[in-house]
Amino acid sequence: NAGVTQTPKFQVLKTGQSMTLQCAQDMNHNSMYWYRQDPGMGLRLIYYSASEGTTDKGEVPNGYNVSRLNKREFSLRLESAAPSQTSVYFCASNPTGASYGYTFGSGTRLTVV
Amino acid sequence: DQQVKQNSPSLSVQEGRISILNCDYTNSMFDYFLWYKKYPAEGPTFLISISSIKDKNEDGRFTVFLNKSAKHLSLHIVPSQPGDSAVYFCAASGHKAGGTSYGKLTFGQGTILTVHP
Repeated sequence: NAGVTQTPKFQVLKTGQSMTLQCAQDMNHNSMYWYRQDPGMGLRLIYYSASEGTTDKGEVPNGYNVSRLNKREFSLRLESAAPSQTSVYFCASNPTGASYGYTFGSGTRLTVV
Repeated sequence: DQQVKQNSPSLSVQEGRISILNCDYTNSMFDYFLWYKKYPAEGPTFLISISSIKDKNEDGRFTVFLNKSAKHLSLHIVPSQPGDSAVYFCAASGHKAGGTSYGKLTFGQGTILTVHP
């Protein structure tokens, strides 16, 4: 009963480096999401995938790319990390793309120096 | 532009008393509202929700009230317990008529609730 698994849990990057945050769910959910959480800002949607084979921008997509590799996996890539991307990143999934039924991962804490 | 606002960054209450967390929204297209609870180093977990066709929804110790005219919702926890100490996020979703939100949520900033024994 793993739910949504995110790797890594912690990461420190230098400005300009690239990395991919991995997310996998084992609940056969159709829709997957990437949010970032910043102090005083709540969670903001970066990208989402309503179903396998589709991706779309959320509220704060600049500086990120995503790949819906298959139904289980949805990765988030930072091509050239910036200090403004220091944040906690949460992946989530839900069965049908409805507003309820979300399951969140435990997060990746990323620091860009 | 913050479409969902939780204006109280923190709230402290005594065990056994009522906790009231507030949330305001500006987007009249929002039609579904949720509360999430988050412990440190964990992801948010769903607590309770309410559709815009209702004004109250209750689940055990948790009740959510929705005032559409004021664009305001609140979460009541009665009685409060030390294990309720966490960050609480209000979230909303909505869509244009005939469309879909694809499950996208807009979150408030969060309120840190501390329940003292």
